[in-house]
Amino acid sequence: DAGITQSPRHKVTETGTPVTLRCHQTENHRYMYWYRQDPGHGLRLIHYSYGVKDTDKGEVSDGYSVSRSKTEDFLLTLESATSSQTSVYFCAISEGQGSYEQYFGPGTRLTVT
Amino acid sequence: GNSVTQMEGPVTLSEEAFLTINCTYTATGYPSLFWYVQYPGEGLQLLLKATKADDKGSNKGFEATYRKETTSFHLEKGSVQVSDSAVYFCALKGDAGGTSYGKLTFGQGTILTVHP
Repeated sequence: DAGITQSPRHKVTETGTPVTLRCHQTENHRYMYWYRQDPGHGLRLIHYSYGVKDTDKGEVSDGYSVSRSKTEDFLLTLESATSSQTSVYFCAISEGQGSYEQYFGPGTRLTVT
Repeated sequence: GNSVTQMEGPVTLSEEAFLTINCTYTATGYPSLFWYVQYPGEGLQLLLKATKADDKGSNKGFEATYRKETTSFHLEKGSVQVSDSAVYFCALKGDAGGTSYGKLTFGQGTILTVHP
């Protein structure tokens, strides 16, 4: 299994509070991704990173920010959580683009009340 | 933009039955196609992939053929087991000619339940 961990694995928070999710990898892969998984939508890309301090938006980036100060860590921040951000969040890593496989972490279940 | 459409679920089968999960896509150029599987409480795992037209991906008894003429990548297995119960996702990655290069676009997922 690819060395990817996510923390926390479960979190319940209140509307309007900031939340940070962490993805940590031990594979030294260049690319890292944050997805959210919602029923009927599959997984949708929030943000991704192609190197330290290099990030870009995905299809559902509104309300989210990311940071990558080290190769191994990719942080996802909800500045002011809303109920619509209740979801399961998955981190993924990849050596490169093209047909390279993406390896997924175990997920974080976030509930915003 | 790119999109992936999977057959509606859930799909319920008896053990040893034949499985087909339909997947069609819309994309420019020559995307790579993937099937991922998600077991309960876990992240996604790559099941198989195909990177060019007419390629057949296969793994653990599952197969899918990249059909560019019908823009399809249907997943099949000749004899399912209870342990195959999971959610299956079809996905594509855009090719180097477009803005979606390297990014995965997923279908909505199909829940498969196999009964003994």
